[in-house]
Amino acid sequence: GEDVEQSLFLSVREGDSSVINCTYTDSSSTYLYWYKQEPGAGLQLLTYIFSNMDMKQDQRLTVLLNKKDKHLSLRIADTQTGDSAIYFCAESQSSGDKLTFGTGTRLAVRP
Amino acid sequence: DAEITQSPRHKITETGRQVTLACHQTWNHNNMFWYRQDLGHGLRLIHYSYGVQDTNKGEVSDGYSVSRSNTEDLPLTLESAASSQTSVYFCASSNAKGLAGYGYTFGSGTRLTVV
Repeated sequence: GEDVEQSLFLSVREGDSSVINCTYTDSSSTYLYWYKQEPGAGLQLLTYIFSNMDMKQDQRLTVLLNKKDKHLSLRIADTQTGDSAIYFCAESQSSGDKLTFGTGTRLAVRP
Repeated sequence: DAEITQSPRHKITETGRQVTLACHQTWNHNNMFWYRQDLGHGLRLIHYSYGVQDTNKGEVSDGYSVSRSNTEDLPLTLESAASSQTSVYFCASSNAKGLAGYGYTFGSGTRLTVV
């Protein structure tokens, strides 16, 4: 079956860059996503990448995909306290189809 | 504005009772999903539907059922609530024809406690 894994916790200083990593096992994953969840809230889509891309940049966010190693990362530049949240990677085989989520990484930003 | 709403936001129930969680969307999305969120597991898929009268089992479907009688609603029923079903439940909907990723919307969640 599909398996998506993330480290549980990351702590960074305000203004530094954060890098959140994710590994997945399903080689047929077509779309890979990063979601953000703030305390007590639902999930907010941050960005996504197609499996035929290596990199995608969107303002402070950079997504890197190593398809050979099935490794996905999310870099947040100039991390702010408002970035403190849980970040989930997820994959699906087609647009709008069911998602398989990672375990989530809690990002703590310290002043 | 289109939206997806879950009710109730919080519920406490007793072991063995039947419980139904509501999910209603006005996006006119064909696809609807139920996930549960537990620490250390992320979100796991319970059931999903690609359209009216269509339902499918997800990764953790035991003890749960859904029905899809119209486009807007996918209620999730716990047949006989167990303490292991204490969790936060999220409903989501999507349009397979939409722009990848951005056609997917989540509800605000229902926190269920089984005592």
